[in-house]
Amino acid sequence: GAGVSQSPRYKVAKRGQDVALRCDPISGHVSLFWYQQALGQGPEFLTYFQNEAQLDKSGLPSDRFFAERPEGSVSTLKIQRTQQEDSAVYLCASSLNRGNQPQHFGDGTRLSIL
Amino acid sequence: AQSVTQLGSHVSVSEGALVLLRCNYSSSVPPYLFWYVQYPNQGLQLLLKYTTGATLVKGINGFEAEFKKSETSFHLTKPSAHMSDAAEYFCAVPSNFGNEKLTFGTGTRLTIIP
Repeated sequence: GAGVSQSPRYKVAKRGQDVALRCDPISGHVSLFWYQQALGQGPEFLTYFQNEAQLDKSGLPSDRFFAERPEGSVSTLKIQRTQQEDSAVYLCASSLNRGNQPQHFGDGTRLSIL
Repeated sequence: AQSVTQLGSHVSVSEGALVLLRCNYSSSVPPYLFWYVQYPNQGLQLLLKYTTGATLVKGINGFEAEFKKSETSFHLTKPSAHMSDAAEYFCAVPSNFGNEKLTFGTGTRLTIIP
């Protein structure tokens, strides 16, 4: 596709359920990022992939959060045993390679935990 | 680690007036700086990018930003505001030199008064 595609756009889950959020980056983009954006805040870094390798996961808030990109293209962010504090918009971004290449963002998945 | 500070969480200007959104970076001169815009229920769109050596950077939609080392600033301006400029604006910097993950400011919500 022309841009970064994220699905679903909206997800409502009950506390304790597991959720999976999908990101389809721009074709050919090597780098892929996940960010979490709480209401009224700027995005905060979660994790970063270069191709299929997860090079940085320092922003993942707990071991309930897991991300993968097995074939170096589509990525999935999984949250296990969701908590109310997980409610946020999850943004995915991709870029061509390291350095000054700008990140291109998807429209995000708005996750609401009841 | 690099950081940015955005002064003013809300800015209101009249249609046709000058837009000035403030961003200051931490003391080390970053190799890159970015301004992104976020419209409601959408992801972030790149407005402009600073790379080392530039001073005045022109972006999309008539926006520009001036890098001032003496003031550690990278303020965003537009000479004449349009109603369509109403959005949230984020300044961002790579967290560490050579690291792609971005650290965002807290954002400035721009309101245009008809």
